[in-house]
Amino acid sequence: DAKTTQPTSMDCAEGRAANLPCNHSTISGNEYVYWYRQIHSQGPQYIIHGLKNNETNEMASLIITEDRKSSTLILPHATLRDTAVYYCIVRAYNTNAGKSTFGDGTTLTVKP
Amino acid sequence: DTGVSQNPRHKITKRGQNVTFRCDPISEHNRLYWYRQTLGQGPEFLTYFQNEAQLEKSRLLSDRFSAERPKGSFSTLEIQRTEQGDSAMYLCASSLAGDRGGNIQYFGAGTRLSVL
Repeated sequence: DAKTTQPTSMDCAEGRAANLPCNHSTISGNEYVYWYRQIHSQGPQYIIHGLKNNETNEMASLIITEDRKSSTLILPHATLRDTAVYYCIVRAYNTNAGKSTFGDGTTLTVKP
Repeated sequence: DTGVSQNPRHKITKRGQNVTFRCDPISEHNRLYWYRQTLGQGPEFLTYFQNEAQLEKSRLLSDRFSAERPKGSFSTLEIQRTEQGDSAMYLCASSLAGDRGGNIQYFGAGTRLSVL
């Protein structure tokens, strides 16, 4: 699985958009980008995933660059409850090697 | 609750004792994963099953660790002769291989192990 690079920490004002970047310059053609978040003392929570097109769901939007070497997770209106560690993972879609390789993620702190 | 369930949520044991954790996946999911997470780090993969077959084991899974999924439903993770370095959060996840949704892994709340 490709390696990802994320900033260690970020702050965001409540009500503003939070933009979390991820670099995955060695991503392969069959690898998807997945985002999870983990609130203190809970298991990781799936947010969104994509291959090359931008994706949006009720939680967030995912913007993947045309060369697929980086992506940005956007939380459009951050709330205090969005304070968490956010993990960007790249993983082949539906292969036998289904494990996820987590880095240390980005700690997002949403401030009032 | 139809999510991934893990029991117990917390376990305190003395060094040298054996412990066993249980994971009940989402009912239709055929893949089940175990991860370990220490403070300040992301989860690390330990092993995974497809149905009852254990398909991959990490080098982190020493011979003191054993995982089973006997009927392709729930799974157990046993640690024998626990050491203080085993103190961590043990996470279970499940997914449906072959679905069109991207083999998304859904995680349980974890079992926090403290070895004294």
